[in-house]
Amino acid sequence: EAAVTQSPRNKVTVTGGNVTLSCRQTNSHNYMYWYRQDTGHGLRLIHYSYGAGNLQIGDVPDGYKATRTTQEDFFLLLELASPSQTSLYFCASSGDRAYEQYFGPGTRLTVL
Amino acid sequence: AQSVTQPDARVTVSEGASLQLRCKYSYSGTPYLFWYVQYPRQGLQLLLKYYSGDPVVQGVNGFEAEFIKSNSSFHLRKASVHWSDSAVYFCAVSTGANTGKLTFGHGTILRVHP
Repeated sequence: EAAVTQSPRNKVTVTGGNVTLSCRQTNSHNYMYWYRQDTGHGLRLIHYSYGAGNLQIGDVPDGYKATRTTQEDFFLLLELASPSQTSLYFCASSGDRAYEQYFGPGTRLTVL
Repeated sequence: AQSVTQPDARVTVSEGASLQLRCKYSYSGTPYLFWYVQYPRQGLQLLLKYYSGDPVVQGVNGFEAEFIKSNSSFHLRKASVHWSDSAVYFCAVSTGANTGKLTFGHGTILRVHP
C-alpha cells in the first residue's frame, strides 16, 4: 500500500508569515497533489505535479506556490499567509493509474 | 467541467440498518468514479472505484456502489452498518484524461448509533 507522509501535522502562524508544508511518498508515484479541506467545500485541488520539476495549477491556486524537488518530495509554500488559508491540507500521490490517489494524514494550519 | 453533488450533508442511522449515501455527477463522457472514506483525524482512504464493466462494484468492509449512467449516479450502499462505519464519505469523479485530477463532492457525514 502506498505510503504518504506529511509534516508538520499541525502548524500555527501569524498573518504575513511564511509557511512550508512538506509531503513525501515512498512508492515512486509519478503524480502528487495538494488539496485543502474546508467545511462546506469538500476537497479542493491547489496544485499538482506529474514528476520532479513539473508543476500544474489546480482549482484554487491563489496564494500558494508548490515545488516538486524529487520524485518523492512535494512542497506547498505560503509566502504571505492569510487567515483565509486556515485549513486542513492533504497531500496525495498516484501512480500509472493516475485516478486512484493515496492520501497523507493531513496538516492542520492555523493562520492567526 | 465535471462536478459531483452529494445532497445529504449528514446521515444518521442505527447500527444494523441498511445504508445508502447518494452521489450524482455531471460529466458528458464516461466517468471514472470513486468513493473515499475519512475516519476521524485521518486522511482519505479509497473505499471502491468504478472504471468500466459491471456497474455494481464491491469495496472494502461490505460496501458496494452502483453506476447508473442514465441517472448520472453512483450511490454507495451497505446492507448492515456498524458503529465503526461512522466517518465522512466522499464521492469523486475523474474524466479519465491523463491529468490525474479528481473532483470531489462536499462529503456526507455518517453517524451510526450503537
